[in-house]
Amino acid sequence: DTEVTQTPKHLVMGMTNKKSLKCEQHMGHRAMYWYKQKAKKPPELMFVYSYEKLSINESVPSRFSPECPNSSLLNLHLHALQPEDSALYLCASSPPGREGYEQFFGPGTRLTVL
Amino acid sequence: GQQLNQSPQSMFIQEGEDVSMNCTSSSIFNTWLWYKQDPGEGPVLLIALYKAGELTSNGRLTAQFGITRKDSFLNISASIPSDVGIYFCAGLSNFGNEKLTFGTGTRLTIIP
Repeated sequence: DTEVTQTPKHLVMGMTNKKSLKCEQHMGHRAMYWYKQKAKKPPELMFVYSYEKLSINESVPSRFSPECPNSSLLNLHLHALQPEDSALYLCASSPPGREGYEQFFGPGTRLTVL
Repeated sequence: GQQLNQSPQSMFIQEGEDVSMNCTSSSIFNTWLWYKQDPGEGPVLLIALYKAGELTSNGRLTAQFGITRKDSFLNISASIPSDVGIYFCAGLSNFGNEKLTFGTGTRLTIIP
C-alpha cells in the first residue's frame, strides 16, 4: 500500500453538527499532517503528529480537534464550525527519517459548512 | 514569517511548448520540493532537491536548487495536456523542522 487515503471525499455539515475526517496510511510513516486549503491558495499547515504525539499546532481554533489513535490513523474531529471553515482538508505523511523533507498527500476531503 | 513567491502566477501555453517557472525566497532553505495539484485532488510530489546547485530530472521535468539557496526553478519540456494543473514549490528551512513553506502556486493551462 503506497498511498494516503482520506474519507469522506465530500462532507456537508451544519454549524451545530459534529463530524470527523479520517486519514489512513500503511506505509510505516510516523509523521502525519493536517492541512487546510482554500481555493486558489497553497495548503496551510494545521497540525503535525510525530510518533503519535502532537508536535505542532499552528494556533488552530479548538473547534478542530486532532487525534492520532495509532501510527496508521489520523482523525480530525469537527464541532461548531463556521462557514469560513469550508475548504479542502488534506492529510499528508512523511517516511521515517524524512519528516518534513518529503510529504505525501492524500486526495483530501472537500468540506462545506452551511 | 517566511514567504515563497512563485512566478508566473499563471501560464497559458500550447501543447509541445516548454515551460519554466521559479520560486524565490527572502531567506535560505535547505530543501526544495515541487508539487503538482490537479483540481479536487491533493498535491503530488514531483521532485525533491537537497543540495545547493543540485539539478534533478523526473521524465520531462527538471528542477534546480539555486546556489544562493533562496530560489528554485522547474522546467517542463514538450508540454502535454496532462501537465495542466497548479504547481507549488515548497521549502524546508531546518532539518527536522517538519514545517513546509509553500509557494503561491503557478497555474498552467494548455490552449488547444
